Amino acid sequence: QVQLQPWGAGLLKPSETLSLTCAVYGGSVSGYYWSWIRQSPGKGLEWIGEINYSGSTTYNPSLESRVTISVDTSKNQFSLKVSSVTAADTAVYYCVREARTRTWFDPWGQGTLVTVSS
Amino acid sequence: ETVLTQSPGTLSLSPGETATLSCRASQSINSNYLAWYQQKPGQAPRLLMYGTSGRATGVPDRFSGSGSGTDFTLTISSLEPEDFAVYYCQQYGSSQFTFGPGTKVEI
Repeated sequence: QVQLQPWGAGLLKPSETLSLTCAVYGGSVSGYYWSWIRQSPGKGLEWIGEINYSGSTTYNPSLESRVTISVDTSKNQFSLKVSSVTAADTAVYYCVREARTRTWFDPWGQGTLVTVSS
Repeated sequence: ETVLTQSPGTLSLSPGETATLSCRASQSINSNYLAWYQQKPGQAPRLLMYGTSGRATGVPDRFSGSGSGTDFTLTISSLEPEDFAVYYCQQYGSSQFTFGPGTKVEI
């Protein structure tokens, strides 16, 4: 059974870059699309973007200018970077697998809280 | 972008009752790309229903989904104590995923 384990810095200052990585256990990154989703009290669940094993990405237009998602097949993990963060980027971030390409999300990794504060 | 609206925002029910949750899309969506999730406090959302009416692995048959076009429904028959949670609908279309704001089912 596939399990996703995210990690990364949980406290950032405004203008810094958010960096999270998600390790995939019990399965391979190959053959699937992988997404990042965040959840904040003000905006609910928000899809950030996706990547497949070959590195093809699609981003939410509202975040596209600041987001980079990458994949490392040798380490069986994928990563998220969000530049120039503000308090509005404070949220719980989830890494997820698209169970079938561009349909629904299963499984979800545990959420990781990222707080942006000066 | 397809906007999803869920109603009601909060549903107050008792165990044994039936919950009917609505998800309405701002434009017609492919029913194959409509999913529902359950989220309990402090936990990640969990896939409940996929392709409008398919139940995810381990989901009891008291959960059912229906709908087409712009109107979709999640029905929970005979609520169990563990069903009290927040439920989100989600769709994929035009290279984007969007979620509804959620319905809280409370006792």
